[in-house]
Amino acid sequence: DAGVTQSPTHLIKTRGQQVTLRCSPKSGHDTVSWYQQALGQGPQFIFQYYEEEERQRGNFPDRFSGHQFPNYSSELNVNALLLGDSALYLCASSLTSGAYYGYTFGSGTRLTVV
Amino acid sequence: DAKTTQPTSMDCAEGRAANLPCNHSTISGNEYVYWYRQIHSQGPQYIIHGLKNNETNEMASLIITEDRKSSTLILPHATLRDTAVYYCIVRGGSQGNLIFGKGTKLSVKP
Repeated sequence: DAGVTQSPTHLIKTRGQQVTLRCSPKSGHDTVSWYQQALGQGPQFIFQYYEEEERQRGNFPDRFSGHQFPNYSSELNVNALLLGDSALYLCASSLTSGAYYGYTFGSGTRLTVV
Repeated sequence: DAKTTQPTSMDCAEGRAANLPCNHSTISGNEYVYWYRQIHSQGPQYIIHGLKNNETNEMASLIITEDRKSSTLILPHATLRDTAVYYCIVRGGSQGNLIFGKGTKLSVKP
């Protein structure tokens, strides 16, 4: 059973550029959350998608946007990249309805902005 | 902000039990306690969660105090592969997002 798959694994972008990160949730999961993890810090919640809509959002600017597709996969888009956006971006999937199951995280995309 | 307080780091001898404490004095009645761990360069991994009763699974045990203001994660026989950052998280319901603090860096030593 495949877990959460994220692509690409590593990415280098220049300040001001735009980036798209992709996430395929664990089979059977319908909810996708995105987190940003700076070096030495815990993951910070960006937003969560369920039924193709943004359900919750953390304290991140509008430069961060997302999308969920009918097959539950998701994209994270970041516009006008800043040096401070360099981080590990984690995708987590979960099941909203029914009994609770722990979030399953992917291994992340390491974004470096130069 | 995270609703939990954890020690920054802990050491444990290989083969011994690792007991990781967590304070969550402001937890409310419908909030669960979750534990995740993150091994270097990987995504966080779910370990266990509980509401008010002690819980055990194949990875660990979770002991929650009667007043629910603190809990302890127990790894009964720590191995070198258990070296990781352990996060204690308080979360309400199945829709609330996970709010991570800085966690406890557990180092298991031979």
